[in-house]
This record gives sequence, structure tokens and C-alpha cells, in this order.
Amino acid sequence: EAQVTQNPRYLITVTGKKLTVTCSQNMNHEYMSWYRQDPGLGLRQIYYSMNVEVTDKGDVPEGYKVSRKEKRNFPLILESPSPNQTSLYFCASSFPVGGRTDTQYFGPGTRLTVL
Amino acid sequence: AQSVTQLDSHVSVSEGTPVLLRCNYSSSYSPSLFWYVQHPNKGLQLLLKYTSAATLVKGINGFEAEFKKSETSFHLTKPSAHMSDAAEYFCVVSDLESWGKLQFGAGTQVVVTP
Repeated sequence: EAQVTQNPRYLITVTGKKLTVTCSQNMNHEYMSWYRQDPGLGLRQIYYSMNVEVTDKGDVPEGYKVSRKEKRNFPLILESPSPNQTSLYFCASSFPVGGRTDTQYFGPGTRLTVL
Repeated sequence: AQSVTQLDSHVSVSEGTPVLLRCNYSSSYSPSLFWYVQHPNKGLQLLLKYTSAATLVKGINGFEAEFKKSETSFHLTKPSAHMSDAAEYFCVVSDLESWGKLQFGAGTQVVVTP
């Protein structure tokens, strides 16, 4: 089944404790992206990757890191989480079509709470 | 630079009546526009997309949207609401200049009453 998976789905942690949220897709998509969703703000893009070893900042990259060492995986790293990073996180992947963004396939989300 | 504004944060409709969700965008270059739906405690699913082909776009579940360049709008409509349409809807824009960057609107919560 074609899908984007995220782990963990729920995480409660404490300020400053490094964590990684994994994202994996099995559709051979070149493009992957991370978003955070906060009430009243919609989804905001954190980082995106157009292909292996190619990453770029979205609108809210501060406090986050990413890497794209292989096509299927795009982990999100919070090296020193803070309470303002409490949010719902989504990973998505896509094939670009004609040099344009096309349909994104979203993971189920990771609900992160930082105490 | 691109941006998107969803003009209504909440829309309440009666079952069987039309639905209109309004979206205005700003884009320096030829935009791609999308509508996604998020049901409670679920991920996002594509409803429909505009990527420089026909300006009237039909999507899943009876939804459609019209790209109007002169008005910089991409409003979503459905002729007859169903209870299962209760969800949050997001308008999304990207453009050729920076196609990897996407801007989401703040979302429109749709409530359907019997």
C-alpha cells in the first residue's frame, strides 16, 4: 500500500531532550516536506527536500534540523526542544510534475508535547 | 513570494444546501493551487488542484473550484452539502519561482447541520 509513515505518533518530552521524528515513504517520491499545524495558523512549512542531499528552509525552520540521506526517509530532528514546539507535525511527499509541485501525500501526523 | 488568504474561518451550512469556501492568493509567478481536506484526527487529503490547465477544476466528492486570475481567487464550491463534508479545508499555493515552498491558508472549518 502506498503510504507515508511517521513515528512516533504521539510523544511527550521535556525541554532540551533531543528527539527525532521519522518519516518514510514507499512511493519513490523525490520531494518530501515537514509541516507543523497549530490552531488558527493552518500548516506552516518547516523544511523541504527536492531530492537526496537537497534540503531547504520553509517558513519556520528555527529549532529544527533535517537530513535526506536516502530517498525514502526524511527525519525531523529537534536538538533542544522547547515548549513553543508543542504542535502537530505532518510529513508529506510528492512527485514534481512539469517542474511544479503536485499532489502531496500526507502522513498521519505526530502530536508532540514539550513540557 | 506567494501567500494565500482564506476569507472565512468558519462556515456553517445545512445538509443539502450549497457550500462556498473562499480563497484568495498572491503569487509573482504562475501559481499552482490546491484544496486539501482534513477530517477530525486525520491527515490531509487532496480534493482538487489547478496547475495551469483548465480553469474550472473538478475534484472528489462533488467539489469543484474555479481559478480566476483577474480576481486572484480559487473558491471551492459544492452544490449540495453532505454530513460527511464536515471537516477543515485548506487552500494551498505554490509557484514556479520556488515550487518547493508551499503556503497554506489558515483553514476553514465547515459545520454541516441536519
